[in-house]
Amino acid sequence: KAGVTQTPRYLIKTRGQQVTLSCSPISGHRSVSWYQQTPGQGLQFLFEYFSETQRNKGNFPGRFSGRQFSNSRSEMNVSTLELGDSALYLCASSPGDGYQPQHFGDGTRLSIL
Amino acid sequence: DQQVKQNSPSLSVQEGRISILNCDYTNSMFDYFLWYKKYPAEGPTFLISISSIKDKNEDGRFTVFLNKSAKHLSLHIVPSQPGDSAVYFCAASGSGAGSYQLTFGKGTKLSVIP
Repeated sequence: KAGVTQTPRYLIKTRGQQVTLSCSPISGHRSVSWYQQTPGQGLQFLFEYFSETQRNKGNFPGRFSGRQFSNSRSEMNVSTLELGDSALYLCASSPGDGYQPQHFGDGTRLSIL
Repeated sequence: DQQVKQNSPSLSVQEGRISILNCDYTNSMFDYFLWYKKYPAEGPTFLISISSIKDKNEDGRFTVFLNKSAKHLSLHIVPSQPGDSAVYFCAASGSGAGSYQLTFGKGTKLSVIP
């Protein structure tokens, strides 16, 4: 069974640009969550989508947005990039109902110059 | 404020011995707890979970214990193997709308010495 796939693996951008990250969940999983990992703050929840609807949102500015498509694939967009947005962005999927663990992809390493 | 705390940044254990990783939480609304293992340049890998209706869950060499009154959980690895060397994260979630929002601890780096 294929795992969670995130593309691209690495990305370099400059301040002020915008970026779109992609996530393909495990087949059959309808929930996709996004997390940001930085050395200082650790792993922090960004948002979660289920059946194309955002169900939950973390404490991040509106520059961070996402969406989910009918095939459960998800994208995350960050606009007006800042140096502090440099981080590992992780996507996780789960069936979306009941107490089921989230399974993570290997992440996209975003570096802002 | 940190709602999930892993107070030991690192732990060294001899191969074959027991590794015990600890985690404390403050939010009484958390009712589902998970442990993940992470190698460098990879995403976290799910290890084991426990819901608040249980106090113990086992899966092979891994056992998680939950003490709700103390708001404390621990992961036991027996016997420890060199391949277990990684960073271990404790995570928690609540019910309802918060079910899919994991709150993570800062991690404990486990080194298993051959």
